Amino acid sequence: EAQVTQNPRYLITVTGKKLTVTCSQNMNHEYMSWYRQDPGLGLRQIYYSMNVEVTDKGDVPEGYKVSRKEKRNFPLILESPSPNQTSLYFCASSFRAGGNEQFFGPGTRLTVL
Amino acid sequence: DAKTTQPNSMESNEEEPVHLPCNHSTISGTDYIHWYRQLPSQGPEYVIHGLTSNVNNRMASLAIAEDRKSSTLILHRATLRDAAVYYCIRSDEKLTFGTGTRLTIIP
Repeated sequence: EAQVTQNPRYLITVTGKKLTVTCSQNMNHEYMSWYRQDPGLGLRQIYYSMNVEVTDKGDVPEGYKVSRKEKRNFPLILESPSPNQTSLYFCASSFRAGGNEQFFGPGTRLTVL
Repeated sequence: DAKTTQPNSMESNEEEPVHLPCNHSTISGTDYIHWYRQLPSQGPEYVIHGLTSNVNNRMASLAIAEDRKSSTLILHRATLRDAAVYYCIRSDEKLTFGTGTRLTIIP
């Protein structure tokens, strides 16, 4: 089944404790992206990747890192999480950027205490 | 800067057509127009996209103005399952979602 998977789905952590949220797609998509969703602010793009080893900042990249060493994986790294990073995170992928359908993962709800 | 403007909310009666408007007055010639929707407790779901011409698929139709500064998503016969937040997005390399239109379907 074609899908985007994220792990973990739920995470409660404390300020400053490094964490990684994994994202994987099995559709051989070139484009992958991370979003966060907060009440009243909609979805905001954090980082995106046009292909392996190519990443770029979205609208809210501060406090986040990403890597794209393999086509299928696009982990989101929070080196030192803070409470303002408490949010619902979505990973997405598409064949290419621009005129292609994006497939979204189920979301990861992160709480930073 | 969401780059698109949508009404915050709309209501429609079940089994009637719904027209969801979107303004994207600063769109460039290579930006696609995408529509996604998000049902409660789910990730966004692709609805339709287009560049210049009107587009139809099994879910909806997309009418794009000739100057491309606005578009309208058309749900031909709304059902209760269409109740969701609908996002209109300009897309180049980045997707900027904005806050969308919350569509309520009245039985």
